[in-house]
Amino acid sequence: QVQLVESGGGVVQPGRSQRLSCAASGFTFSNCAMHWVRQAPGKGLEWVAVMSYHGSSKGYADSVQGRFTISRDNSKNTLYLQMNSLRPEDTAVYFCVRGSGANYGTHLDYWGQGTLVTVSS
Amino acid sequence: QSALTQPRSVSGSPGQSVTISCTGTSSDVGGYNYVSWYQHHPGKAPKLMIYDVSQRPSGVPDRFSGSKSGNAASLTISGLQAEDEADYYCFSWAGSSWVFGGGTKLTVL
Repeated sequence: QVQLVESGGGVVQPGRSQRLSCAASGFTFSNCAMHWVRQAPGKGLEWVAVMSYHGSSKGYADSVQGRFTISRDNSKNTLYLQMNSLRPEDTAVYFCVRGSGANYGTHLDYWGQGTLVTVSS
Repeated sequence: QSALTQPRSVSGSPGQSVTISCTGTSSDVGGYNYVSWYQHHPGKAPKLMIYDVSQRPSGVPDRFSGSKSGNAASLTISGLQAEDEADYYCFSWAGSSWVFGGGTKLTVL
C-alpha cells in the first residue's frame, strides 16, 4: 500500500533553516508528481509546493517562493523540502502528498501523517 | 493565490443532506475542471473524497457528490452519518499553482 513518511520536523529559530524529508513506498515514486501541504495550528490547509515526476517542473506558493526549495531523489524514493529564512508564521504540520499524475495531475491522492515544524526563539 | 471561499461551518442531523460551497474565480475554479475535495479528521491524514469536480474515488460512499457551476463548486453529503463530522476542504488548480479553500467544519447534530 502507498506509504508516505515525513521526517525532519522540530523546533527551529527564526531565520534558520530546516530540511524535511518524505520517504515513499508502495508505488513507483519516479512516476508521480509530489506536493508539500501545510497546516498551521488552528488554521486550514495551505498548498506549499509541487514537483513533477522527473523534477524539471516545480511550483511554489507565494508565501514561500524564494525561501523554500522542493527537490526529489528518485533513486532513493525520497522527496525533500529545504526551508530557509524561517519565520514564526511557517510553524505548521507539513504533509507530503502524492499528486495524481506524472506532471502535476489534477488532485492529491495519498497523504502522509505530517511532521510538525515550530519556528520559535 | 487567494484562498477559495468556503463557509466556516455547516451542520445537519443524521440522515439529512448538507452542501458545502467553494467559491473562486475564473482563474481557478471557473477556469478548470480540477476541483477536488478532502475530508480531514484532526490529527489524521486528509482523505480524498471527490476529484475532477464530480468523480468519486473507489471506496468513497456514493453519499458524497460534487458539482460545479461557473466559479463555484459544491460538495453534497446525503444521508449524514456521525462519522462524516470533520473538516472539509476544496482544492483547485489555478493556472500555475494550486489553492485550497479555507475549510468548512461539518457538525453532525
